[in-house]
Amino acid sequence: AQSVTQPDIHITVSEGASLELRCNYSYGATPYLFWYVQSPGQGLQLLLKYFSGDTLVQGIKGFEAEFKRSQSSFNLRKPSVHWSDAAEYFCAVYTGTASKLTFGTGTRLQVTL
Amino acid sequence: DTGVSQDPRHKITKRGQNVTFRCDPISEHNRLYWYRQTLGQGPEFLTYFQNEAQLEKSRLLSDRFSAERPKGSFSTLEIQRTEQGDSAMYLCASTSGSPYEQYFGPGTRLTVT
Repeated sequence: AQSVTQPDIHITVSEGASLELRCNYSYGATPYLFWYVQSPGQGLQLLLKYFSGDTLVQGIKGFEAEFKRSQSSFNLRKPSVHWSDAAEYFCAVYTGTASKLTFGTGTRLQVTL
Repeated sequence: DTGVSQDPRHKITKRGQNVTFRCDPISEHNRLYWYRQTLGQGPEFLTYFQNEAQLEKSRLLSDRFSAERPKGSFSTLEIQRTEQGDSAMYLCASTSGSPYEQYFGPGTRLTVT
């Protein structure tokens, strides 16, 4: 069965510093991969997605992610973090056989000023 | 496009009571999903509809849970005889032709006392 692992439960970065959030997936074929962001008390907002093609995908709010098949990873990056980026970030995989998204446990990002 | 809406946003109920949540998807989105998110976890799939047909249900969806989408538009999720373990955020998502690109509502936070 497909699964998603986010190894970092909580990350703290200084405003203006770079950010990388890790995501590893387990799935036999090429999955559809997503990053969502959830602010406190809110639903999930799609940041970016990877289906096929260029392994470096750009998303909203200055985020990007790179798909690495050899490492089964889809890490999220941002060159310069803003205080408003503080939130919880979820990596997810979609596999057509299950018709659903499978989420990781999330990484909570704290931004210090 | 007003997005996915959910009502109520918060619900506090006593153990043993029945509760019902409503989800209004984005107009003309034919697929509707329900997820449950407990504290510190990512969302977990409960069920989904294509139009009015409920096509898949998770093992998480015990017989105390029932979901409907009578006219292929809004959906309701009912929990009978609530238990403290039902306390969670219940998220609704909808999508159109691409089942993997799901748009989430703000969620209904249920607290069972």
